[in-house]
Amino acid sequence: KQEVTQIPAALSVPEGENLVLNCSFTDSAIYNLQWFRQDPGKGLTSLLLIQSSQREQTSGRLNASLDKSSGRSTLYIAASQPGDSATYLCAVVTGANSKLTFGKGITLSVRP
Amino acid sequence: DGGITQSPKYLFRKEGQNVTLSCEQNLNHDAMYWYRQDPGQGLRLIYYSQIVNDFQKGDIAEGYSVSREKKESFPLTVTSAQKNPTAFYLCASSIAGVYTDTQYFGPGTRLTVL
Repeated sequence: KQEVTQIPAALSVPEGENLVLNCSFTDSAIYNLQWFRQDPGKGLTSLLLIQSSQREQTSGRLNASLDKSSGRSTLYIAASQPGDSATYLCAVVTGANSKLTFGKGITLSVRP
Repeated sequence: DGGITQSPKYLFRKEGQNVTLSCEQNLNHDAMYWYRQDPGQGLRLIYYSQIVNDFQKGDIAEGYSVSREKKESFPLTVTSAQKNPTAFYLCASSIAGVYTDTQYFGPGTRLTVL
């Protein structure tokens, strides 16, 4: 059974800092990995999707990397801003079961 | 604007009542999903549908039912058999399956059992 872990559960950084959010998964036979953002009381917004054949994806100040063999992904946020404060969730698709397995998320707070 | 709408935003239910949560999308997506989110937990899949008139159970389908009579709509009924229904419910859709396409999420419905 696939398990997705995101540690730590919460992170607080000063504005302007470059930061890395980590995600690990137990079954390396994934189809893709996605990073989502969730603001309090809201739905999820897709940030980046990495297919299993890819190593990384970039969108603006965000860069996500994928190392399937080690079961790890990182989300790099450059020059963090208070508006980046949110919960970031990692999710993977494994096998033929047509579903995403989510981690519990990392709640990020960027202090002005 | 294209997107996913969920209604109502807040829903209160008395014990023993069935309630139905609405999910509508105008993205012309084939696949739709229902998730449940509890504090400190990741999202858990309740049901999903990859085509009209067909749907599959997810990890926690007990006490829930769905229908998919139209491509745009995927309502979720929380029945009285669901023992702990208080949670945040999220609907999502994707162009096809999860293997290549990202999922787009609605704003959610918060259900509270009184």
